[in-house]
Amino acid sequence: DQQVKQNSPSLSVQEGRISILNCDYTNSMFDYFLWYKKYPAEGPTFLISISSIKDKNEDGRFTVFLNKSAKHLSLHIVPSQPGDSAVYFCAASAVTSYDKVIFGPGTSLSVIP
Amino acid sequence: GAGVSQSPSNKVTEKGKDVELRCDPISGHTALYWYRQRLGQGLEFLIYFQGNSAPDKSGLPSDRFSAERTGESVSTLTIQRTQQEDSAVYLCASRQPGPPLFQITQYFGPGTRLTVL
Repeated sequence: DQQVKQNSPSLSVQEGRISILNCDYTNSMFDYFLWYKKYPAEGPTFLISISSIKDKNEDGRFTVFLNKSAKHLSLHIVPSQPGDSAVYFCAASAVTSYDKVIFGPGTSLSVIP
Repeated sequence: GAGVSQSPSNKVTEKGKDVELRCDPISGHTALYWYRQRLGQGLEFLIYFQGNSAPDKSGLPSDRFSAERTGESVSTLTIQRTQQEDSAVYLCASRQPGPPLFQITQYFGPGTRLTVL
């Protein structure tokens, strides 16, 4: 039973264009969401997060949008750069159990120069 | 060190052998996690240590898997009688104590790639 889903295993985007990575969750108790980025042969690194009291959080080229009613969030990267090519993991946690973070299966993003 | 380190980076073993994987967390991080990532899959939670509390072992897939942590430092993940389905990248992560925001962000090591022949 996957509580965090990333239905697109891969995505290709032209350099300079927008990348949109999607994530859906099933547990309505989740109230904190994170995106991690992973390069080959490295561990995931934290990218950006959003609390359920917000519907948008922005950090430079990265913006995360949260739609609680649809249990959906998305990561926008604008403009996309070749160095953004990596696997992106969506993750979620609940206030009742911050110790546990549930990760999605990841989306592999390729930014084509 | 500056980050989470793991050793070995790669391990090839024969089916039935035992393996031990090591994780050195960031100094001062009281919480430590082990995850497994099989090829094409997401991060699968295995075990979680927090300070002196009893570890959360709810993610360990079988009794062949065990982990220990010495105080708030090094952790070892042991897999006994390895099987081919144990082949995966094993990732360790740590996080610092504090308010919820700090509790959430985990810092990952580079992982150990285990191949069971």
